[in-house]
Amino acid sequence: GAVVSQHPSRVICKSGTSVKIECRSLDFQATTMFWYRQFPKQSLMLMATSNEGSKATYEQGVEKDKFLINHASLTLSTLTVTSAHPEDSSFYICSAQRTGHRDTQYFGPGTRLTVL
Amino acid sequence: KQEVTQIPAALSVPEGENLVLNCSFTDSAIYNLQWFRQDPGKGLTSLLLIQSSQREQTSGRLNASLDKSSGRSTLYIAASQPGDSATYLCAVKGNQFYFGTGTSLTVIP
Repeated sequence: GAVVSQHPSRVICKSGTSVKIECRSLDFQATTMFWYRQFPKQSLMLMATSNEGSKATYEQGVEKDKFLINHASLTLSTLTVTSAHPEDSSFYICSAQRTGHRDTQYFGPGTRLTVL
Repeated sequence: KQEVTQIPAALSVPEGENLVLNCSFTDSAIYNLQWFRQDPGKGLTSLLLIQSSQREQTSGRLNASLDKSSGRSTLYIAASQPGDSATYLCAVKGNQFYFGTGTSLTVIP
């Protein structure tokens, strides 16, 4: 089956620092990847859609200069949280859409970010 | 904008009971609907995927139905087990995935 990995699975950082989260599709190519954020007791909210080789599309209310997304290859997308603040603490989940299969997304295991 | 609602928000049942989780959505223009399981602090595990043209899907003790015209889906779990305890999310796929807020299920041994 299709596998999506995320690294790191858990990260703790100081306020003001930047954190990079990687999302990889391990056994398939993903032209499109998605980044979600989940606060405690809440559902997943789409932050941005990342297309290989082009700029990401951000959802309303998501600061593109704060959440930098790079999708440089068909198997890797990265999310960088810049100048992190405690309110950025959340569970970040990526998903990958297999190239040519618009209907299906495969989800990564998530990254727990804690900003002190 | 698509809105997805799940009822109940939390459910506690004794082991062995059959149960139904509900999901409703406001826009019937969807490609598919998917049910996920999420364990505390973990990612999503896909349980069942129903294409917009389908009415139901079954996998083991799980059965999911879809009534696209009325904007409803149900997830039926037969003979519940303590290992079924988790949060169950439904998500509808239009231009993007829209997730419900989930039903937290506890199965009591």
